[in-house]
Amino acid sequence: KQEVTQIPAALSVPEGENLVLNCSFTDSAIYNLQWFRQDPGKGLTSLLLIQSSQREQTSGRLNASLDKSSGRSTLYIAASQPGDSATYLCAVRNSGGSNYKLTFGKGTLLTVNP
Amino acid sequence: DAGVIQSPRHEVTEMGQEVTLRCKPISGHDYLFWYRQTMMRGLELLIYFNNNVPIDDSGMPEDRFSAKMPNASFSTLKIQPSEPRDSAVYFCASSDRPPGSGNSPLHFGNGTRLTVT
Repeated sequence: KQEVTQIPAALSVPEGENLVLNCSFTDSAIYNLQWFRQDPGKGLTSLLLIQSSQREQTSGRLNASLDKSSGRSTLYIAASQPGDSATYLCAVRNSGGSNYKLTFGKGTLLTVNP
Repeated sequence: DAGVIQSPRHEVTEMGQEVTLRCKPISGHDYLFWYRQTMMRGLELLIYFNNNVPIDDSGMPEDRFSAKMPNASFSTLKIQPSEPRDSAVYFCASSDRPPGSGNSPLHFGNGTRLTVT
């Protein structure tokens, strides 16, 4: 059974700092991995999706990497801003028959202080 | 498009009462998912529909939970009778592409926060 762990559970940084959020998964037979952002009282917004054959994806100040063999992904946020404050979740989609299911981590609550 | 619309945003009910949560997916999206989010267990898939047909309901926790999709623009998740441990945020999500087919982003609603006392 796939399990996804995110460390740390919460992170507080001053504005302008570069930061890294971590995600690990137990079953390396994945189809892809996604990073989502969740604002308080809102649903999830997809940030980046990395296919299993890819090593990284970039969007603006965000860069996500994937090391499938070691079961790890990182989300790098450059020059953090208060507007980046949110919960960040990673989710993996397993390869195989039930590959419509996403297994989510519990998220990292990020606070960027002005 | 207004996105995935869920109602109500908040629901407070007493144990034993029936609860119905509603979802309107994005027009043209043939795939609909119901998720539950709790602090302890995170986000869990409850059930998944394709073209209004339930494909996999293995995530539905108990027979007290049921979901329907009578047409392409409406789905309900019902809990009868409700229990305090059902308290959670319930999300509906939709997609216009087959799950697992490359970049198949899910569009989430803002959720319904359910509190059962």
